[in-house]
Amino acid sequence: DADVTQTPRNRITKTGKRIMLECSQTKGHDRMYWYRQDPGLGLRLIYYSFDVKDINKGEISDGYSVSRQAQAKFSLSLESAIPNQTALYFCATSDWTKGYTFGSGTRLTVV
Amino acid sequence: TQLLEQSPQFLSIQEGENLTVYCNSSSVFSSLQWYRQEPGEGPVLLVTVVTGGEVKKLKRLTFQFGDARKDSSLHITAAQPGDTGLYLCAGELGGTYKYIFGTGTRLKVLA
Repeated sequence: DADVTQTPRNRITKTGKRIMLECSQTKGHDRMYWYRQDPGLGLRLIYYSFDVKDINKGEISDGYSVSRQAQAKFSLSLESAIPNQTALYFCATSDWTKGYTFGSGTRLTVV
Repeated sequence: TQLLEQSPQFLSIQEGENLTVYCNSSSVFSSLQWYRQEPGEGPVLLVTVVTGGEVKKLKRLTFQFGDARKDSSLHITAAQPGDTGLYLCAGELGGTYKYIFGTGTRLKVLA
């Protein structure tokens, strides 16, 4: 099993629908992150969490929410999806001494 | 505002050639990381540099952190087709445990 597992891998949804992206990890790391990747813009931080009771906004949190259900689980929600949220989404964990471990990503298309 | 600029954005070279990728910022970073990302996968950490002027080598890859900790370079010697991928730099601001990613350099090595 992968260290960081994201589900689903691919999703097409309609404008206005609510969607949840899930992430689970077996690294035992406290820190978890959600990034989105767009061509030419690199990876941008949406939300991050340093432990179960800690949730922080990143640089592009508008239109997104998160839930840290357990140390190993961190989910990202789009309450009302819009087309400009079409992107590749990555979950990551970190032990700050060793950098990020990323999941394989979720390709989300909003039509 | 993009804090980390990478150059070049795209690079296509023949097997055996040398190349250098640059990562520049006006901000000072506590540490800087380089990742490689292949299609359909998340980025994978290559190296972390933390000291100004630090040089690290990973087989044919040489990483350097600028003296002022505002920039970094990645040099590949005798590139091989297996080096093909998207190279991302990521800088940590002020011990925050959050990394800001660069725009990426897409490298293609032709056999």
